[in-house]
Amino acid sequence: GEDVEQSLFLSVREGDSSVINCTYTDSSPTYLYWYKQEPGAGLQLLTYIFSNMDMKQDQRLTVLLNKKDKHLSLRIADTQTGDSAIYFCADTLGSYQKVTFGTGTKLQVIP
Amino acid sequence: GAVVSQHPSWVICKSGTSVKIECRSLDFQATTMFWYRQFPKQSLMLMATSNEGSKATYEQGVEKDKFLINHASLTLSTLTVTSAHPEDSSFYICSAPTGSVGGALGGNEQFFGPGTRLTVL
Repeated sequence: GEDVEQSLFLSVREGDSSVINCTYTDSSPTYLYWYKQEPGAGLQLLTYIFSNMDMKQDQRLTVLLNKKDKHLSLRIADTQTGDSAIYFCADTLGSYQKVTFGTGTKLQVIP
Repeated sequence: GAVVSQHPSWVICKSGTSVKIECRSLDFQATTMFWYRQFPKQSLMLMATSNEGSKATYEQGVEKDKFLINHASLTLSTLTVTSAHPEDSSFYICSAPTGSVGGALGGNEQFFGPGTRLTVL
């Protein structure tokens, strides 16, 4: 079945850039997403990338997609303490299809 | 933007009782909703796909008789945990594809409810 893997933990200093990596196994996802979950809260869609794109930039967020290696990354520029959360990558095979989530990466931002 | 609500936000119940969790799409119609479960410090795992007017589709390993899903209207899906036990304690989250309301992503974007934390004593 489909599988999405992430590193479990990342610690960075405030002001530095954070890069969270993800690998997936789905053969041809249509969309790939990055979600943020703060403690005790639900999910917030941060950004997404369509499968025919290689890169997407949205303010401090940059998403890179390497379809050959099935690798997705999220770069957060000028990381702030408010960015501390768990970040999930996810993908879907099509419209109205389920979303498969990665294992989640806990980002800790040190002041 | 599209909003999905869940009720209750948290519930504590005794072992053996049943608990109903509601998922509502507030400003759009959802013929499909998804129910996920998240154990502490783990990822979200899809439990079932709720389809309006028809039976839910359950993922492998999820007991359909234990987790009853009813999608009675285009804006409401309910998940009932029957005869709950402590191992059912978890964070339950629903989501709904937003279709045209979701803007450019259409059915590829899903909005997630805030989740329901279930604790079974």
